Amino acid sequence: GENVEQHPSTLSVQEGDSAVIKCTYSDSASNYFPWYKQELGKRPQLIIDIRSNVGEKKDQRIAVTLNKTAKHFSLHITETQPEDSAVYFCAASTGMYSGGGADGLTFGKGTHLIIQP
Amino acid sequence: DAGITQSPRHKVTETGTPVTLRCHQTENHRYMYWYRQDPGHGLRLIHYSYGVKDTDKGEVSDGYSVSRSKTEDFLLTLESATSSQTSVYFCAIKGTGVYFGPGTRLTVL
Repeated sequence: GENVEQHPSTLSVQEGDSAVIKCTYSDSASNYFPWYKQELGKRPQLIIDIRSNVGEKKDQRIAVTLNKTAKHFSLHITETQPEDSAVYFCAASTGMYSGGGADGLTFGKGTHLIIQP
Repeated sequence: DAGITQSPRHKVTETGTPVTLRCHQTENHRYMYWYRQDPGHGLRLIHYSYGVKDTDKGEVSDGYSVSRSKTEDFLLTLESATSSQTSVYFCAIKGTGVYFGPGTRLTVL
């Protein structure tokens, strides 16, 4: 089955600096890569996703890049703010493209992002 | 919040007792999922459903069963709860992405 590795487990950055979280996956059939933000005691919230036919996607201060050859994808947060402090999870799936499939997501173990004032 | 509710939101039970968690959605999504979240493990898929009466096992299905008799409801049952099943349980649906319910915190003493 799919295996997703996520690094680092903890990341501390100064407010205003950029943060990068990296994930690798093992199954070359994976075609959908979402990122979730989870605040303490809350549900994971989908913040951005990318499909395998796209190399990069941006949404305001966040962006995700995908390298299918190397089987890795990354989350980039620019101009970090205190409200960006949370745990971030990457995930991969073989079944999301074009709405098909039901096999769920395989998650990385999470990155605790700390924004230092 | 994708119209997903979970009940109960908190439960404390004793080892060996049966427990049923309920996930309810209001937007007629076909695919529904149960995940558990534990420190150091992230989120792991327990079971999923791709339609009424259509379910399949995920990565950590041992000790759990599910049922889906209506599109809107997906039930997770622990037939005989064990302390290793103490966790936070999240239901999810697949729309344009995968969206999670608010979670149920289960403690098995």
